[in-house]
Amino acid sequence: AQSVSQHNHHVILSEAASLELGCNYSYGGTVNLFWYVQYPGQHLQLLLKYFSGDPLVKGIKGFEAEFIKSKFSFNLRKPSVQWSDTAEYFCAVNSLGAGSYQLTFGKGTKLSVIP
Amino acid sequence: GAGVSQTPSNKVTEKGKYVELRCDPISGHTALYWYRQSLGQGPEFLIYFQGTGAADDSGLPNDRFFAVRPEGSVSTLKIQRTERGDSAVYLCASSKAGQIQETQYFGPGTRLLVL
Repeated sequence: AQSVSQHNHHVILSEAASLELGCNYSYGGTVNLFWYVQYPGQHLQLLLKYFSGDPLVKGIKGFEAEFIKSKFSFNLRKPSVQWSDTAEYFCAVNSLGAGSYQLTFGKGTKLSVIP
Repeated sequence: GAGVSQTPSNKVTEKGKYVELRCDPISGHTALYWYRQSLGQGPEFLIYFQGTGAADDSGLPNDRFFAVRPEGSVSTLKIQRTERGDSAVYLCASSKAGQIQETQYFGPGTRLLVL
């Protein structure tokens, strides 16, 4: 069974600081990778996704993520965070095969940006 | 356009009671998913519908949980003989055609509290 690990439970940054949130997955086959964000009081929404091609994926609001197959990683980055990026971030994966439609999520990383 | 909607937004019930949670997917989306999110965890897959049929119910924790989608649009998650451990946020998501690379669009969730 596949699993997703997000290394940081809570990250606190000042505005303009750079962000990197770790995500590792355990599955040896072909995977699709997703980052979802949940702003306070709002529902989960997609930030970006990777399924093939250029391993550096750009998403909304200046976020990007890099798929490194050899490290089973899909870390999320942003060069300069804003107060409005305060939210909880979830990494998720699905893969070809039985149960392929299921998204397997990590536990999430809460990001607090201090003005 | 309208997103995924879920009703009720909050539900408080007593142990042993029966509850129904409703999901209205995005119009035209044939794929519908239910997830459950416990406190401090990421969403966990429960069941996936393609059209009217449950294509994958491997995530349902036991036979107290059941879901239907009789006309291929609205879905109802039904929980019999509720237990305190069922307390969680129940999330519904939909996607256009159920291809594994597609974005799943999430609703706001129903927060269930079993006393």
